[in-house]
Amino acid sequence: NAGVTQTPKFRILKIGQSMTLQCTQDMNHNYMYWYRQDPGMGLKLIYYSVGAGITDKGEVPNGYNVSRSTTEDFPLRLELAAPSQTSVYFCASSYGENSNQPQHFGDGTRLSIL
Amino acid sequence: DAKTTQPPSMDCAEGRAANLPCNHSTISGNEYVYWYRQIHSQGPQYIIHGLKNNETNEMASLIITEDRKSSTLILPHATLRDTAVYYCIVRPLYSSNTGKLIFGQGTTLQVKP
Repeated sequence: NAGVTQTPKFRILKIGQSMTLQCTQDMNHNYMYWYRQDPGMGLKLIYYSVGAGITDKGEVPNGYNVSRSTTEDFPLRLELAAPSQTSVYFCASSYGENSNQPQHFGDGTRLSIL
Repeated sequence: DAKTTQPPSMDCAEGRAANLPCNHSTISGNEYVYWYRQIHSQGPQYIIHGLKNNETNEMASLIITEDRKSSTLILPHATLRDTAVYYCIVRPLYSSNTGKLIFGQGTTLQVKP
């Protein structure tokens, strides 16, 4: 009963390094999302995908890239890490965009850029 | 999307019912009321949602007033593990933001022994 799985759980990067945050779901959901949550704040949408091969920007896409080659996986890439990207990153998925379909979240990746 | 207003914090005794209120006076007819919670250091957890009628599942009950301007999430027998931040979110049936959830400040529920 895995649901949405994110790896790694924690990571420390140096400024300018790159990395990929992994997200996979086993619920056959069409929609997937990446959010970030800064301390004491709500979640902000970075990117989302409505299906394999289709992605679109959310509120705060700068500095990030995504791809969706399969239904299950939705990786988030940071190309040139900056201190402003220190945050907790959550991946979520849902069956569709209809509001009768709840989003289910992973446990997050805690990322520090030093 | 309609705005929601929640008290910043609440306490509840373990074993008692926790009643978390939410005001959404500008809600429109095609908007759902959702509740999520976030336990420290974990991802948001879906609890329940509803449109007009009261809803119940294994986690909680959702009571929506007849005019739909407010709702109450009820945890019938709160435990220490229910200590979390609870978010009330209103979502239109179809959103131009394609399902983006807007999390406000939520209510921090502290369940005490």
